[in-house]
Amino acid sequence: GEDVEQSLFLSVREGDSSVINCTYTDSSSTYLYWYKQEPGAGLQLLTYIFSNMDMKQDQRLTVLLNKKDKHLSLRIADTQTGDSAIYFCAEGTPFGGSQGNLIFGKGTKLSVKP
Amino acid sequence: DVKVTQSSRYLVKRTGEKVFLECVQDMDHENMFWYRQDPGLGLRLIYFSYDVKMKEKGDIPEGYSVSREKKERFSLILESASTNQTSMYLCASSLEAGGFLGDEQFFGPGTRLTVL
Repeated sequence: GEDVEQSLFLSVREGDSSVINCTYTDSSSTYLYWYKQEPGAGLQLLTYIFSNMDMKQDQRLTVLLNKKDKHLSLRIADTQTGDSAIYFCAEGTPFGGSQGNLIFGKGTKLSVKP
Repeated sequence: DVKVTQSSRYLVKRTGEKVFLECVQDMDHENMFWYRQDPGLGLRLIYFSYDVKMKEKGDIPEGYSVSREKKERFSLILESASTNQTSMYLCASSLEAGGFLGDEQFFGPGTRLTVL
C-alpha cells in the first residue's frame, strides 16, 4: 500500500536552515502537503505543492519535489525557536468513492536550539 | 475560517467505560476523519466518513465505532475503553476531492484520552 517515510528527529541552531525530508510511494498523488503541529495542538496546514510543480517558495519556506525519486523536502530558512514543532508530510491519494484521504508520515520533530 | 471543534481537550476514563468523542465542523465539509496519534507512530486513521450515515474503516478500526447522523458532526465511540486506547485523538474534515485544495484536511485541537 501507499507509504510516506520521514525521519523522526531534526535538531538545528537558531538562525540556521532546516531541511526536513520525506519520501512517498504513490506516484498518482495529486497534492503533497506539509502540516505543522505545535505542542498540545492539532495539525495545521503549512504549505502544499501540486504534483506537477518542482518547487514552491513561500517566505521562509521552500518546498522541493522530485517526482522521479518520489522525494519531497521542506526547507525553513533562518529557523527560529517558534519553528520548534512536529512536521508531517502527507500525500493526497484520491480513490474510488471515498476520496479525500491523506496518507501521513510519522512526523519529524524539529528542535531549535538558541 | 474553517473551524473544527472537539468536545474535550482532556479526558480520563476507566477501563470498560463507554467513551464518546465528539467532533463538529462548521464549513459544510463532506469528509470527516478520526485519527489517533501516538509517539513514534504518527497519525493512524481509525475511521472516516464521506457523507452522512456513511462510514468506512481506516487502518486501525478495532475497538472503535463511529456515527455520522448529521453532516457537521462525527462521533468516535469506544465501546469498552482499554488502557491501550490511551492516546491523542484528532478529528479532521475536508471539502471533497476535486476542490481547490483537493484533499486538504482541517484539524481540530485534539482530545488527549487517558484510560486507567
